[in-house]
Amino acid sequence: LAKTTQPISMDSYEGQEVNITCSHNNIATNDYITWYQQFPSQGPRFIIQGYKTKVTNEVASLFIPADRKSSTLSLPRVSLSDTAVYYCVLSGSARQLTFGSGTQLTVLP
Amino acid sequence: GAGVSQTPSNKVTEKGKYVELRCDPISGHTALYWYRQSLGQGPEFLIYFQGTGAADDSGLPNDRFFAVRPEGSVSTLKIQRTERGDSAVYLCASSTTVGQPQHFGDGTRLSIL
Repeated sequence: LAKTTQPISMDSYEGQEVNITCSHNNIATNDYITWYQQFPSQGPRFIIQGYKTKVTNEVASLFIPADRKSSTLSLPRVSLSDTAVYYCVLSGSARQLTFGSGTQLTVLP
Repeated sequence: GAGVSQTPSNKVTEKGKYVELRCDPISGHTALYWYRQSLGQGPEFLIYFQGTGAADDSGLPNDRFFAVRPEGSVSTLKIQRTERGDSAVYLCASSTTVGQPQHFGDGTRLSIL
């Protein structure tokens, strides 16, 4: 299964834009890139999914370059409540999701 | 409710006991998945169902673990002769069909004393 690599942790301040980049050099043709957010004592929550170029929804944007070997989750104007672990996951031919250790985002006041 | 429901939310039992964990998926979702999450780690896949059948159980750690989904909706994860190493959060997810985004419940925190 293709693996993903993300920073272990990131700090930001309220109101800033946060970009979390994920590397997936061995992404397969039929893999989609999905990002999840997880708060303590809760299950992962689906944020956004994309295949190529740019996807935007009400909470985030996902940027995927043409070679698809990386992706960037962009969170606009973060607040304290965005403090969580963020996972980049590939899903496609493999039915199950393979999670890494994720990125712990801490938003400071 | 509209989301994936898991019961119980917490389960504490003694080593060697049998436990059952229940998952109620989002209505209409045909695919159902079980994952296990240890502290500080991402979820690890255990098994998934498409309808009533276990389509892939390659993540089950050994034959003490078993899961069923007899009517294609609710699923039960069963663990026999529990060991302290089975302590973890067991997460269930469902999707409209295989390949679509998975939506997770809040898990069952299992503690084996």
